[in-house]
Amino acid sequence: SAVISQKPSRDICQRGTSLTIQCQVDSQVTMMFWYRQQPGQSLTLIATANQGSEATYESGFVIDKFPISRPNLTFSTLTVSNMSPEDSSIYLCSVEEAAETQYFGPGTRLLVL
Amino acid sequence: GENVEQHPSTLSVQEGDSAVIKCTYSDSASNYFPWYKQELGKRPQLIIDIRSNVGEKKDQRIAVTLNKTAKHFSLHITETQPEDSAVYFCAASETGGFKTIFGAGTRLFVKA
Repeated sequence: SAVISQKPSRDICQRGTSLTIQCQVDSQVTMMFWYRQQPGQSLTLIATANQGSEATYESGFVIDKFPISRPNLTFSTLTVSNMSPEDSSIYLCSVEEAAETQYFGPGTRLLVL
Repeated sequence: GENVEQHPSTLSVQEGDSAVIKCTYSDSASNYFPWYKQELGKRPQLIIDIRSNVGEKKDQRIAVTLNKTAKHFSLHITETQPEDSAVYFCAASETGGFKTIFGAGTRLFVKA
């Protein structure tokens, strides 16, 4: 499977600031996704990062709060904007390889004070 | 849209016993059902998956069964070991749907 890395691995941020999370894959992939996993909870899809076009957001998530870039087939960024303590969570990128099979990055653990 | 329910939320077994986790889904168009294992502080790892044209799949101590008529699928772990302790997530998706829906997770404890 593809090797996926994320930066930063963790961060502590002040409310009102923004953080950009990077996701790098070692091979070209068509589908990349961003998930949020709140403490002790399941995985919730934020958006699908589309290469060369705007991301597709799930209900409850908006572009102004979670802008996403996908400049090429190996890289994507997710920004968490104007953060509040409720944004404290783990943010995971994933890639889809053969036929719906998804593999996850190591995650970014975010704490907002 | 698709909804995936997972039971139980917590499961405690003795080492060597079997563990069974069950999921149901709502969208009959779903045809791909992966299972992920997530250890504390780690990423979810794909451990086994099954597609709708198959009723059962086995990989060593892990097996998954699918009943498309009843919209049920289950994960079976035999001869459990302490290292099987983790949170397990089931999921469902549809070919070309580009969206995977995850169950709430089952926290499995294997007591030595």
